[in-house]
Amino acid sequence: GAGVSQSPSNKVTEKGKDVELRCDPISGHTALYWYRQSLGQGLEFLIYFQGNSAPDKSGLPSDRFSAERTGGSVSTLTIQRTQQEDSAVYLCASSFGTGRSYEQYFGPGTRLTVT
Amino acid sequence: SQQGEEDPQALSIQEGENATMNCSYKTSINNLQWYRQNSGRGLVHLILIRSNEREKHSGRLRVTLDTSKKSSSLLITASRAADTASYFCATVLTTDSWGKLQFGAGTQVVVTP
Repeated sequence: GAGVSQSPSNKVTEKGKDVELRCDPISGHTALYWYRQSLGQGLEFLIYFQGNSAPDKSGLPSDRFSAERTGGSVSTLTIQRTQQEDSAVYLCASSFGTGRSYEQYFGPGTRLTVT
Repeated sequence: SQQGEEDPQALSIQEGENATMNCSYKTSINNLQWYRQNSGRGLVHLILIRSNEREKHSGRLRVTLDTSKKSSSLLITASRAADTASYFCATVLTTDSWGKLQFGAGTQVVVTP
């Protein structure tokens, strides 16, 4: 079946603009995660969804970052007033059940460049 | 700071040789997972080993876990050029209810024909 998809694959934006990144998880996966990967910080957890709720938002770096998930499926990560340090690859992953003891399936990522 | 640290940072070997990389972590874990990443994009899950397991195999991959030393190793046997990638260990902490992964810095493996 289809894997995790993300769009856009690349996004270049000017500093101060808002961006939206989209993730379509594997059908039937209730757990959804956002991570980001940057040269300086490596791979970092951002937020976790179980269904439409987000019980763990501990990785969001500032209040400029928000995410939502609708219908227990598609998720959108929004970054407001982008800064150059937001430049990174944003990865989405989904997993079966609560996710704790299961492998995560990753999408190809969105490469965000803030100029 | 990252939970896991990997060693070595980079590894260059020839096809047919074995590649071994190590991962150390700091805090009690529920499980440890290894992922592969090609070309800096999506990660592919390789193996999940639970805290009560000591060794797992999958094809040419062998993973060991020593919870007393808080360390794990990934062995790739009879490597191929297609194994060229970055390899990451990731842990799920005992205290975590939701499975968020805490990644190491990764090992870059280059396999030359």
